[in-house]
Amino acid sequence: DTGVSQDPRHKITKRGQNVTFRCDPISEHNRLYWYRQTLGQGPEFLTYFQNEAQLEKSRLLSDRFSAERPKGSFSTLEIQRTEQGDSAMYLCASSSTVPAHSGSTDTQYFGPGTRLTVL
Amino acid sequence: QKEVEQDPGPLSVPEGAIVSLNCTYSNSAFQYFMWYRQYSRKGPELLMYTYSSGNKEDGRFTAQVDKSSKYISLFIRDSQPSDSATYLCAKIQGAQKLVFGQGTRLTINP
Repeated sequence: DTGVSQDPRHKITKRGQNVTFRCDPISEHNRLYWYRQTLGQGPEFLTYFQNEAQLEKSRLLSDRFSAERPKGSFSTLEIQRTEQGDSAMYLCASSSTVPAHSGSTDTQYFGPGTRLTVL
Repeated sequence: QKEVEQDPGPLSVPEGAIVSLNCTYSNSAFQYFMWYRQYSRKGPELLMYTYSSGNKEDGRFTAQVDKSSKYISLFIRDSQPSDSATYLCAKIQGAQKLVFGQGTRLTINP
């Protein structure tokens, strides 16, 4: 299967600890997105990369959050000094850019997510 | 006001019923609207997307956009228990960023 994969699937940590999540996109996709989803809510955009460049960051992405995509392949999302409010599902998605004149739009394919619980 | 509003439900219907799921949005600048399905503890999967106004049909699913009223709908015909999931509407904003509604939790009862 060549879908989006995320690791770990579950993470339980204590408040104040640092955590890092990994996302492996579909291999030919140049765009990669991170979203956060809390219980009973839709996913909320955090940041996105085109190749290795981080092009947009949400105001939700505080200074404790950092994302990287070295070499434009996999991506990591690190949360420093975790807080209980960080408990959520962290979703990664990838897509490939379609030409503007194609009359179509990128289709974002989501991974299974990493469920973070901060105690 | 949220940019995309969606009734969270829950919605419970008998097998075989026609299901209607709806969203409203607040900004007219967007042209692509998506419907995602999310099973429990899984990532969202794209069902279909529509461009501008009008209908789009794919098997038992029909997506409808009414830009004059800023209303997005998804209809499911001949609903099956396997359709039980949370349905998320979304619009594309800016550089392909998705803005989601809250999601409607749907249960199809056998």
